[in-house]
Amino acid sequence: AQSVTQLDSHVSVSEGTPVLLRCNYSSSYSPSLFWYVQHPNKGLQLLLKYTSAATLVKGINGFEAEFKKSETSFHLTKPSAHMSDAAEYFCVVSDPYTGNQFYFGTGTSLTVIP
Amino acid sequence: EAGVAQSPRYKIIEKRQSVAFWCNPISGHATLYWYQQILGQGPKLLIQFQNNGVVDDSQLPKDRFSAERLKGVDSTLKIQPAKLEDSAVYLCASSLGVGGWTDTEAFFGQGTRLTVV
Repeated sequence: AQSVTQLDSHVSVSEGTPVLLRCNYSSSYSPSLFWYVQHPNKGLQLLLKYTSAATLVKGINGFEAEFKKSETSFHLTKPSAHMSDAAEYFCVVSDPYTGNQFYFGTGTSLTVIP
Repeated sequence: EAGVAQSPRYKIIEKRQSVAFWCNPISGHATLYWYQQILGQGPKLLIQFQNNGVVDDSQLPKDRFSAERLKGVDSTLKIQPAKLEDSAVYLCASSLGVGGWTDTEAFFGQGTRLTVV
């Protein structure tokens, strides 16, 4: 069975400071991992994805994530937060070899303080 | 490239009424998903189609929810009769890959916000 745990339901940072959103996964096989962002009243947008290539993945808007198999983690980071980063972030796991379902974490709400 | 289209965007119904949602996936995408997102929670998979066959409907409340994907393209999700706890955003997504594809992600529509009163 696959699942993800997002360790923080809310994260608050000051504009210009680093962002860290934590995600741990559980998967029986080699998973694909994704981070999606959801702005208020908007659809889900893909930030980045890991699909068994490079373990450090760069995404849009300056975000990146590192796949660490030994820690079963896929934390999302950004060096400097912008006001426009305030949104809900979802960590997602998928196993392409057992049906390609996408399983979402419970989400982390990011607040950026000016 | 056109995205995943969903309609309607908003729907308000009374409990015990029926409602239907429509989804048109990205052209060429074999896999289509319906998710339910209750306020403050992550999306929960209701049903997954590959072409016009069901891959996973283990979390679909089959006593009141039904879904179909005729001809392997468009899909409809129906609720009959609706309950108050069905109030949520219903998201449709599509994906190019089928089992074994690693370089694939899900593309999501804007969703339908359902309010049951």
